[in-house]
Amino acid sequence: AQSVTQLGSHVSVSEGALVLLRCNYSSSVPPYLFWYVQYPNQGLQLLLKYTTGATLVKGINGFEAEFKKSETSFHLTKPSAHMSDAAEYFCAVSPLNTDKLIFGTGTRLQVFP
Amino acid sequence: DAGVIQSPRHEVTEMGQEVTLRCKLISGHNSLFWYRQTMMRGLELLIYFNNNVPIDDSGMPEDRFSAKMPNASFSTLKIQPSEPRDSAVYFCASSLSRSTDTQYFGPGTRLTVL
Repeated sequence: AQSVTQLGSHVSVSEGALVLLRCNYSSSVPPYLFWYVQYPNQGLQLLLKYTTGATLVKGINGFEAEFKKSETSFHLTKPSAHMSDAAEYFCAVSPLNTDKLIFGTGTRLQVFP
Repeated sequence: DAGVIQSPRHEVTEMGQEVTLRCKLISGHNSLFWYRQTMMRGLELLIYFNNNVPIDDSGMPEDRFSAKMPNASFSTLKIQPSEPRDSAVYFCASSLSRSTDTQYFGPGTRLTVL
C-alpha cells in the first residue's frame, strides 16, 4: 500500500528564514503528489500539486516543491518565512487510477519574529 | 461559489445519541470524500463517493457509521449510537472525478460526544 512520511511533526523557523518541510512517499510507480495547508480551525486548502511535466512546482504564497523520483521525495520549500505561514502542512499522494488522497501525519510550522 | 458547506459547525451530544453531519458539494463536482481528524490518528479517509455511488468505504470505523448521497450535491454522515471516541473534526471535501483534481475541503464539523 502507498504511504507518505513527513519527517518532523514540528518545525520552527525565524521570520525571513528558509522553510523546508520534508515528504517522502513509498511507491514503485510515482503517484500524483500534493501539499495542503490547514490554518487553525479551518479545512485544508491546496498549496500545490505535481501530476506530470516540470518537476519543480510553484504554488500559492511563495511555496514550491520539487518532485525527485530517485529520492521518492516531494519536499516543500519557501525562501523566506512569514508569520502568516504558521499552520499545519500535509503532504498527500493520489495513487494512479484512484481518486483517493493518502495524507501524511502533518508538520506544524511555527514562525518566530 | 460558496465552496463546500458543512453543517453543523459544532455538535455536542451525549453518548448513545444519533448524530447526523451534512455536506453540500461544490456545484459541478461529482466526487465526495468524508474525513475524520484527531490528534491521535491524524486525517483519515472514511468513505468516498463518485457520481453518488460509494467507491471505497474501507475507512468507515464500524457499523455505527453510515454515509449517503441522496442526490448529486448533498451527503450525510450518520453515527448511531455515538460514543466518546467518535469525538473529532469531520471534514467533507469535493472534487471533479479525476485523481489529478484538487479536493476542496469544507470548514469541518467539530463533534464532541460526552
